[in-house]
Parts: sequence; structure tokens; C-alpha cells
Amino acid sequence: QVQLQESGPGLVKPSETLSLTCSVSGGSMSPYFWSWVRQPPGKGLEWIGYINWSGWATIYAPSLKNRVTISLDTSKNQFSLNLQSATAADTAVYYCARASGNIDSWGQGVLVTVSS
Amino acid sequence: QSALTQPPSASGSPGQSVTISCTGTTSDVGGYKYVSWFQQHPGEAPRLIIYEVNKRPSGVPDRFSGSKSGDTASLTVSGLQAEDGADYYCSSYTDSKTLVFGGGTKLTVL
Repeated sequence: QVQLQESGPGLVKPSETLSLTCSVSGGSMSPYFWSWVRQPPGKGLEWIGYINWSGWATIYAPSLKNRVTISLDTSKNQFSLNLQSATAADTAVYYCARASGNIDSWGQGVLVTVSS
Repeated sequence: QSALTQPPSASGSPGQSVTISCTGTTSDVGGYKYVSWFQQHPGEAPRLIIYEVNKRPSGVPDRFSGSKSGDTASLTVSGLQAEDGADYYCSSYTDSKTLVFGGGTKLTVL
């Protein structure tokens, strides 16, 4: 059974780049789409974007597409999220997830706080 | 893209049935079979309970069922149990090749 684990700084300063990595174990990266989803404290889920198993296709949420980049390292079974120009509104639990039409597996999530 | 519309809350007594709706458009819910439902308990990651409108992953009780009519998908929980109290989110694939979530419904078991 596939397992996903997020890692990265829990505190980011405003205007800096929020960077997270998701490590995938127990399954192949192919033929799935690898996603990021976030959840601000006390609020609902927001889809951020995904990258396909070979890394040649990325799709981002329109509200974030100007600031977000998702990349893939198949040699390490990892994919990453970079969110530029972070603000307090980006404070959230960030989840990595696997999708094939539907999201079917989730990481446990990591809280990232944007604050000086 | 706009979030799918869910009622903010729902409730039922143990043993009863409750249905949660998820309304979108022909560009998402109404146009695709990739409609999912997730259950989330406080402090935990979401858990997939329904995929492709009405399919249940292994390990999900058959008390959970999904359906779709036009632009509205529905999740029905039959024979409510105390542990069903949680937040529920729907999601759908869209014309733009993105995914979109509903705002979430807090289910209370009275």
C-alpha cells in the first residue's frame, strides 16, 4: 500500500518561498498524478495542483498558478511544492496526495505557518 | 473555478440515514464520473470513502453510498453510528483538468 510523507519547514517568513517535499513509498510513481492540497486552520480543503508521473505535465489551481511550482524526482520517488511570495493567507496544513482521476491516498499533512 | 456547494452541516440520530449534497456545474460534477467523497476526523488527514460517484474502496462500510443526478452528487450514510461524526468533502474533476473541492459538511450524530 502506497505511503506518502510530507517534509519541510514548519515556519516560513512572509515574502519567502514555501517549499515542501513528499516522499512516496510502497508503490510506483506511474501512472499516477501527484498532488498537493492545503487546508487553512478551521477551513476546508483547497486543491493546489498536480504533476503527472513522468513530470512533463503540470496543472495548477487558477488562484495559485502565478506563484506555484510542482516538480518531480522519480529517482528519489519524491515530488515537491514551491509557493513563492508567501503570506499569512498561505498558513495551512499541506497534504500531498496521489490521484488517478480521483485522489485515493493522502499523506498525514504538515502544518506550515507563515509569520515573521 | 468555484468550490462545489455543500450544506455546512447535517445531523441524524444513531441508526438513521442522512444525505449530503454536492452541487456543481456541467463543467465539473455534471460532466464527469470522477466525483469523490472524503471523510475527515479532527486532526486527521482526509480518507477516501467514495470514488467515481458510487464506488467504495475496500474497507469502507457499505453504509456509505454515493449517487449523482445532473450537476448534483450525493453521499448517503445509512445506519448512522457515532464514529460517522466528521467533516465530509466532495471533489470533482473539471473541464480545466483541475480538481475542485466542496466547502465541506460537518455531520453530527445526535
